[in-house]
Amino acid sequence: AQSVTQPDIHITVSEGASLELRCNYSYGATPYLFWYVQSPGQGLQLLLKYFSGDTLVQGIKGFEAEFKRSQSSFNLRKPSVHWSDAAEYFCAVVYGGATNKLIFGTGTLLAVQP
Amino acid sequence: SAVISQKPSRDICQRGTSLTIQCQVDSQVTMMFWYRQQPGQSLTLIATANQGSEATYESGFVIDKFPISRPNLTFSTLTVSNMSPEDSSIYLCSVWVIQETQYFGPGTRLLVL
Repeated sequence: AQSVTQPDIHITVSEGASLELRCNYSYGATPYLFWYVQSPGQGLQLLLKYFSGDTLVQGIKGFEAEFKRSQSSFNLRKPSVHWSDAAEYFCAVVYGGATNKLIFGTGTLLAVQP
Repeated sequence: SAVISQKPSRDICQRGTSLTIQCQVDSQVTMMFWYRQQPGQSLTLIATANQGSEATYESGFVIDKFPISRPNLTFSTLTVSNMSPEDSSIYLCSVWVIQETQYFGPGTRLLVL
């Protein structure tokens, strides 16, 4: 079955430190890949997406992600974390076909220490 | 892009009752989706709502519990029937904009007592 794995349930980083959130998807044709962020009490906001082309994707708020086909991964990175980045981050994939169902990972909760 | 609104934004309901959630999109879209996010959990797809045909439900979700209507290309409703406390969740609708991405509504926060 198609699936998305976010191995880290919870991560704590210090403000100003770099960040990498991991995401792996199940093997198959290259899916469309997304990262969403959900701040407390807020809706889902799209950070970035990958469909094809350059495997390093730039998003909003200084985030970037790199698609690595060989590792079936789409890890999210940020060089310097701000306190306002504290939120839950979801990796999601859409596999080809008419259904266009978005499958979410379990999420990674990011805490930022001052 | 697409702008999505949902009503109500939140509600507190008694067990055994039903609640209908509305989703309105500012443009015509072919496919609309309904998700559930239980407390502290990720999002789970409930069903895909297609205009002019019955909704397609994911495993574990049935029409009797979550009836869906899709009367036109900009509107859909999800009803949570015969509610129990386990139905307390955030319910979100979303739309897929071809060649772009899925946009999500702000969600409906439901608490069942």
